[in-house]
Amino acid sequence: EIVLTQSPGTLSLSPGERATLSCRASQSVSSNSLAWYQQKPGQAPRLLIYGASSRATALPDRFSGSGSGTDFTLTISRLEPEDFAVYYCQQYGNSPRTFGQGTKLEIK
Amino acid sequence: EVQLVESGGGLVQPGRSLRLSCTASGFTFGDHSMSWFRQAPGKGLEWVGFIRNKASGGTIEYAASVKGRFTISRDDSKSIAYLQMNSLRTEDTAVYYCTRGYNSPSYWGQGTLVTVSS
Repeated sequence: EIVLTQSPGTLSLSPGERATLSCRASQSVSSNSLAWYQQKPGQAPRLLIYGASSRATALPDRFSGSGSGTDFTLTISRLEPEDFAVYYCQQYGNSPRTFGQGTKLEIK
Repeated sequence: EVQLVESGGGLVQPGRSLRLSCTASGFTFGDHSMSWFRQAPGKGLEWVGFIRNKASGGTIEYAASVKGRFTISRDDSKSIAYLQMNSLRTEDTAVYYCTRGYNSPSYWGQGTLVTVSS
């Protein structure tokens, strides 16, 4: 099973700042099959990024994904108030599909 | 518009069974694989399993934590996916989500809460 470790656990930033979220895999993720999700309280997760760097439909271009192998990054270039949420990475290249433990992005 | 609506959640005693349904609309159900995920209260996301569509072989995979207790099935004529949960444990308490697709799903239902408690 591929273990995904996200860092930091909590990130405190202000609107307008840049956010960098990390996801590290215990082994190489097959075909860069890595996705990022955003989840707000009481809501289902929302797909942001798939294939490590492809944006989901209608996703604002301030969100970007990068990385390969075992190290992946989600970057939000200029934080908007609606971006404060929990973010999860997920690998789907191998079974079982696994998630990171999440990074909470909170308003400073 | 793609819609996924889960139902069947509720309070159940340990060791008992429950069946969840995921009713789909807005797309050709038989053309897509379907997945189930769950999220325990205050915790992260966990993959439960998926069922591929018939064209992809209809194969099913499960997480180790539910294998042998949970069964995923589908009725393409009704556009419904099912999650049969047997021998429920307190640690199965979670919101259960169904999704379209089995890789990086972009369509999720709103979830249904299953509480396993005596």
